[in-house]
Formats: sequence, structure tokens, C-alpha cells
Amino acid sequence: KAGVTQTPRYLIKTRGQQVTLSCSPISGHRSVSWYQQTPGQGLQFLFEYFSETQRNKGNFPGRFSGRQFSNSRSEMNVSTLELGDSALYLCASSQGPWDEQFFGPGTRLTVL
Amino acid sequence: AQTVTQSQPEMSVQEAETVTLSCTYDTSESDYYLFWYKQPPSRQMILVIRQEAYKQQNATENRFSVNFQKAAKSFSLKISDSQLGDAAMYFCAYRGSQGAQKLVFGQGTRLTINP
Repeated sequence: KAGVTQTPRYLIKTRGQQVTLSCSPISGHRSVSWYQQTPGQGLQFLFEYFSETQRNKGNFPGRFSGRQFSNSRSEMNVSTLELGDSALYLCASSQGPWDEQFFGPGTRLTVL
Repeated sequence: AQTVTQSQPEMSVQEAETVTLSCTYDTSESDYYLFWYKQPPSRQMILVIRQEAYKQQNATENRFSVNFQKAAKSFSLKISDSQLGDAAMYFCAYRGSQGAQKLVFGQGTRLTINP
């Protein structure tokens, strides 16, 4: 069974632009969570989706948004990029909200 | 809010020896889950071991075991017979049993294995 896939793996953007990151969960998994990883702040929770519904959102500004599709694939969008948005964005999927989370390889976003 | 603290930013151990990584957490919940994740240089986060708070018995997975002290809110990871492939960042994480599924992570401990 294929693991969690994230595209693209690397991304370079400039301040003010917007970006969309994609996450395809393991087949059969309906729950997707997103995390931001930076050297300074560590790993921080962004969103949690289950069956196309956002169940919870972390303490991030409204520039960060996400959604989940009927096939459980998820996207997150960051608008008006800032230098501080440079990070590794990790996606994790699980069968249900309370099951073990399996992480993808991440998308490395660099904002110049 | 729950917090997780890993007080050792870096640790090193000789190959084949045993090392213990420390983790403390703060919560007002009585039922929760604790995890240790490994993140090798390739960046893929991998679950090493998990512990349910209601279980008194410490979890064990092959060379990996935990020392779970619920009253002290301590959750350390012991790696026995360290191998070169164990070199990675190790993250301690907490997840409550109600509400959000989110994981709350510690800052991580970078483990180096010396041959």
C-alpha cells in the first residue's frame, strides 16, 4: 500500500505570493492533519480534516486555509506569503480521527 | 493547553550501548496518548512507540521501550543496543483523548550514534 504522498516536495516563492500544497493520504484513510515544522517553533498543528470537514484548526492566521476532497485528498493554501512561512509542511493521514497517524515526506517551502 | 518538553536538544551514544531520551508533559486530562516519533535526515516522520495513559504497563517495541510515570508526567524512551540507523531527531508527542486529534510535539532531541 502506498504511503502518504505530498506534492510538490520543494517550492520557492516570493513574499506576497500564494501557494497551494497537496496531500494524498494512504488508501482508505479518511483523516488528514497538517503540521508546520520550523527550527524556531518546532512542529505546530495547522488543521485536521475528516470526511471533508475541518474538525480543528491550530493557532495560525487566516492566511492559512485548507480543504479536503471527497477522495480524502487534502490541500492547504497560504496566501500573501511572508518570510516566516518558510518551513517544512507535513501531512499525516489516519483511518479515522483517533487512529495512528502516518506522515508524508513533507513539502519544503522557501519564501524569498 | 497541553505542553511537551524535551530537555535534551542533543544526545550521543556509542553503537551497541543504551541511551535514554527524556520527555515531560503537562496536561489536566486523565486519559491521553503519548508517542515517540523518529525523524531521520530523509525527513519522513516514523512512529516508534505509543503509550496509552490508562495502561500501567510500559510499552515495548523490540529495542525501544518507555518508562511512563503518569504521576510525574514523565515519558522517557530507552533505546537498547543502539544502531547507526537509530541516528535521527526524536520527538515526544501528546494527544488528548477528546476533542482535537492533533499531536502536541516537544522540541525534539537529536540523537547521534558513534561507531
